[in-house]
Amino acid sequence: DGGITQSPKYLFRKEGQNVTLSCEQNLNHDAMYWYRQDPGQGLRLIYYSQIVNDFQKGDIAEGYSVSREKKESFPLTVTSAQKNPTAFYLCATQDRNYGYTFGSGTRLTVV
Amino acid sequence: AQRVTQPEKLLSVFKGAPVELKCNYSYSGSPELFWYVQYSRQRLQLLLRHISRESIKGFTADLNKGETSFHLKKPFAQEEDSAMYYCALLMDTGRRALTFGSGTRLQVQP
Repeated sequence: DGGITQSPKYLFRKEGQNVTLSCEQNLNHDAMYWYRQDPGQGLRLIYYSQIVNDFQKGDIAEGYSVSREKKESFPLTVTSAQKNPTAFYLCATQDRNYGYTFGSGTRLTVV
Repeated sequence: AQRVTQPEKLLSVFKGAPVELKCNYSYSGSPELFWYVQYSRQRLQLLLRHISRESIKGFTADLNKGETSFHLKKPFAQEEDSAMYYCALLMDTGRRALTFGSGTRLQVQP
């Protein structure tokens, strides 16, 4: 069915380890976004991409990296430089009316 | 910089009571405002946007530019309205990403 697929649903990271969160869409939307959701803080923008092969830092990009080699895919890497990575990560696409469609999220826990 | 404020972390009402979830924003331009909702074990989804002036599931929201507010209202709450609600702002220039508030959890008690 059409939509956004985020994987894995749960991810555990050891200290000093890089991990990559997957986000795939078949909605044919150009713009894709990564947000971090923490209790009491709402959603904060990490990175976004308006078009293939281009992406921009959001408000909390430090310790994260992304790529946008294909329209369908926008993976997020949480690097060891991210000091507090435990959070719920949401991927979204944006339609031409600027409305968002969200994925089901990945919960990352540092162990 | 733009900012969205939802002053209430939790709002608890009884079934049938009126509901108002507050949202205030700060932005110097002409924004577009949205309400998103997240029901238990479901994805975050669009509830309504101010330009469409729709009523979705009995909810309405009016953009008040003078008070820079976009409060969400429903005259009679239902138990199935219990969820997390986020107000979001889209700037009219520059970055086209949504800026979200911190969210309000609505609990509708029987």
